[in-house]
Amino acid sequence: DAGVTQSPTHLIKTRGQQVTLRCSPKSGHDTVSWYQQALGQGPQFIFQYYEEEERQRGNFPDRFSGHQFPNYSSELNVNALLLGDSALYLCASNRGNTGELFFGEGSRLTVL
Amino acid sequence: AQTVTQSQPEMSVQEAETVTLSCTYDTSESDYYLFWYKQPPSRQMILVIRQEAYKQQNATENRFSVNFQKAAKSFSLKISDSQLGDAAMYFCAYRILYGGSNYKLTFGKGTLLTVNP
Repeated sequence: DAGVTQSPTHLIKTRGQQVTLRCSPKSGHDTVSWYQQALGQGPQFIFQYYEEEERQRGNFPDRFSGHQFPNYSSELNVNALLLGDSALYLCASNRGNTGELFFGEGSRLTVL
Repeated sequence: AQTVTQSQPEMSVQEAETVTLSCTYDTSESDYYLFWYKQPPSRQMILVIRQEAYKQQNATENRFSVNFQKAAKSFSLKISDSQLGDAAMYFCAYRILYGGSNYKLTFGKGTLLTVNP
């Protein structure tokens, strides 16, 4: 049973560029959440998708946007990258109201 | 707003010994979950243990147990018989039980645990 898979694992971008990160949830899961984890910090909630709609959003600017597809996979898009966007981006999935989150290994984004 | 505080940036323990990691939180809610997650160098967050606030009994998972003090808003993790594989970053996390924020976890800043052979 595949867990939560994310791609790419590492990527380097320059300021002002745009990036797309991808996530496939654990089999049987229908809800996907994204978290940003800066170096030495705990993860911070970006947003959550369910039934292809953004259901909850954390304190992140509109440069951060997402999408969920009919197969429940999800993308995180960040526009106009800033140095401060350098972080590990974690995707987590769960099913219904169980709230048991399963995390992927993350995508490490470096902005130069 | 809910906050989670881990006051110990780093802890160390000898193999086979016991260590306790501290966590306090602030919330006005009465129903919520508390979690301890482990993040090894592989980066994947792994759930260690979960506590429902409405349960008075402290959760236990093998060598891992918690001391949940609801009135004090304290939630510590005890690791018994520490093993080298326990070395990791440990995060305390909170989420509300019901409502629109159901799936949002609020994390502390983490405690880096080192296990010495």
